[in-house]
Amino acid sequence: NAGVTQTPKFQVLKTGQSMTLQCAQDMNHEYMSWYRQDPGMGLRLIHYSVGAGITDQGEVPNGYNVSRSTTEDFPLRLLSAAPSQTSVYFCASSSMPGAWGGQFFGPGTRLTVL
Amino acid sequence: TQLLEQSPQFLSIQEGENLTVYCNSSSVFSSLQWYRQEPGEGPVLLVTVVTGGEVKKLKRLTFQFGDARKDSSLHITAAQPGDTGLYLCAGGEGGSNYKLTFGKGTLLTVNP
Repeated sequence: NAGVTQTPKFQVLKTGQSMTLQCAQDMNHEYMSWYRQDPGMGLRLIHYSVGAGITDQGEVPNGYNVSRSTTEDFPLRLLSAAPSQTSVYFCASSSMPGAWGGQFFGPGTRLTVL
Repeated sequence: TQLLEQSPQFLSIQEGENLTVYCNSSSVFSSLQWYRQEPGEGPVLLVTVVTGGEVKKLKRLTFQFGDARKDSSLHITAAQPGDTGLYLCAGGEGGSNYKLTFGKGTLLTVNP
């Protein structure tokens, strides 16, 4: 099993550009989440999904969209990139709700917005 | 939103020393998880504790969940350079079992 995969690993955007961060898991997990990690701020939840077709907002959802058309994939869309979105983005999946099931994290996408 | 405070923020020790890091909150959590993150990688789950007073051991690592389920500690015995990393605690939020709240982490450096 590949676990949780994320692409790209690095990305540089200009302010106002849009892009999609890809996330896929091959463990048949129902629960998937997107986090951003910033120095001094820890990991903050952006959006999460409890199954195909079901998503909800986390702590910092503004400027991001998600959809979950399949169990395997959970892409994160930046609609109009801003310098404040410079961060490291992690996708995670679990077989149980976040409070109970350990999260499997991908390797991250390092995004810089100029 | 519930908050998790981790201490110390930074810890630098010599190989062979013992250490304890803490994860505290004023709120009750349904569970506490501990992760270790190495530079350039995603966090990796070490343990989940769900019962107040629970103690779990993973080789030289001992995890404890407070009786009131508001705090947790991680004790490492005879630290090794391979233990170097960012240790994160994460708690399940009250009122929602789908979300995790992460602390800001303790950055541990074990010098040979």
